[in-house]
Amino acid sequence: NAGVTQTPKFQVLKTGQSMTLQCAQDMNHEYMSWYRQDPGMGLRLIHYSVGAGITDQGEVPNGYNVSRSTTEDFPLRLLSAAPSQTSVYFCASSYGSGAYNEQFFGPGTRLTVL
Amino acid sequence: SQKIEQNSEALNIQEGKTATLTCNYTNYSPAYLQWYRQDPGRGPVFLLLIRENEKEKRKERLKVTFDTTLKQSLFHITASQPADSATYLCALGGGADGLTFGKGTHLIIQP
Repeated sequence: NAGVTQTPKFQVLKTGQSMTLQCAQDMNHEYMSWYRQDPGMGLRLIHYSVGAGITDQGEVPNGYNVSRSTTEDFPLRLLSAAPSQTSVYFCASSYGSGAYNEQFFGPGTRLTVL
Repeated sequence: SQKIEQNSEALNIQEGKTATLTCNYTNYSPAYLQWYRQDPGRGPVFLLLIRENEKEKRKERLKVTFDTTLKQSLFHITASQPADSATYLCALGGGADGLTFGKGTHLIIQP
């Protein structure tokens, strides 16, 4: 059981570039989410999904897209990277709603946008 | 707007003593409250979940209380050890859209 995996671990982008952060889980969890963590800000919810084919916005969705074509995968796309998107990104999954259940977090992707 | 407050300054505790961390919230009526531990460079790890109708929950050396009148949760680590040094995050949930996290308290257990 690998749990929640994220790739890449580190990434440097130039302003305007696009990229996809990958997240996968092997626990058959319905609920998956993306958070960003910035110094002094805590974890903030970007997007979440309650099942394959269903996604919704969290607190800070602007500049990010998601899709959920399978139960296992929940990629996060940066359409046109900006320095304000420099952050550490965490993917999480849970059996049911993230509000009511233990969240399993991935190891994170550290993104720098120059 | 919803606000979650945790001790912003690092908490220094001597080994063997009880560490108590505070989580206060405003403009929120969470049905659930969770605590997570985060080590440097790693993702948060779940510790405990407590429901609004529960006053207290325990797991080994950990204890959480949830006072919906005071809008406060206390997180206790008894017989603290240097290995307990980490950042502890409080998170509130009450809807389908996941958790709202506090900024965390950095706990340092000194030998």
